[in-house]
Amino acid sequence: GAVVSQHPSWVICKSGTSVKIECRSLDFQATTMFWYRQFPKQSLMLMATSNEGSKATYEQGVEKDKFLINHASLTLSTLTVTSAHPEDSSFYICSARGYTFGSGTRLTVV
Amino acid sequence: DAKTTQPTSMDCAEGRAANLPCNHSTISGNEYVYWYRQIHSQGPQYIIHGLKNNETNEMASLIITEDRKSSTLILPHATLRDTAVYYCIVRVLDSGDMRFGAGTRLTVKP
Repeated sequence: GAVVSQHPSWVICKSGTSVKIECRSLDFQATTMFWYRQFPKQSLMLMATSNEGSKATYEQGVEKDKFLINHASLTLSTLTVTSAHPEDSSFYICSARGYTFGSGTRLTVV
Repeated sequence: DAKTTQPTSMDCAEGRAANLPCNHSTISGNEYVYWYRQIHSQGPQYIIHGLKNNETNEMASLIITEDRKSSTLILPHATLRDTAVYYCIVRVLDSGDMRFGAGTRLTVKP
């Protein structure tokens, strides 16, 4: 079946630094990928839709300059959290095809 | 606005059937009912989906009422590993972005 590989699984970074999260479709091509964020004890919230070869579409309230999305190939989408702050600490999850999810990345900003 | 309504939490005895209800009274004719679950600190896992007929796979059964305004996910013999948050989502077939509600936290007890 379709598999999405997400990494890293967890990352700790210092305030002000940037962190890149990768999401790869392993056995299929994904022209579109979706990025979600999940705070503790809350549900998943869609952040943005990543489109191969074009600009990402961000949900209302999500800063596009802070959460940089790149989808340069049909198998790779990346989310870069720029100038991270402690309030960006969260569980980030990618998805492709609408039903295949990555395993998630737990970001902790200290 | 949430398109589905689910109980916040449910308990189930190990080995018994777990029946998780979902109300989706505003579902459109072309929208399917999807179920996912999320085990702690993992990405969501697809379980099953259906349009109007009842569906069954190796994981679960999905019962959709005739008016399609509600559905029930049935885990026939719950195990401790089925403890998770279960999400019911309505959306057009294979449309990518999904809007997650709060889900039902199912706890399977020995």
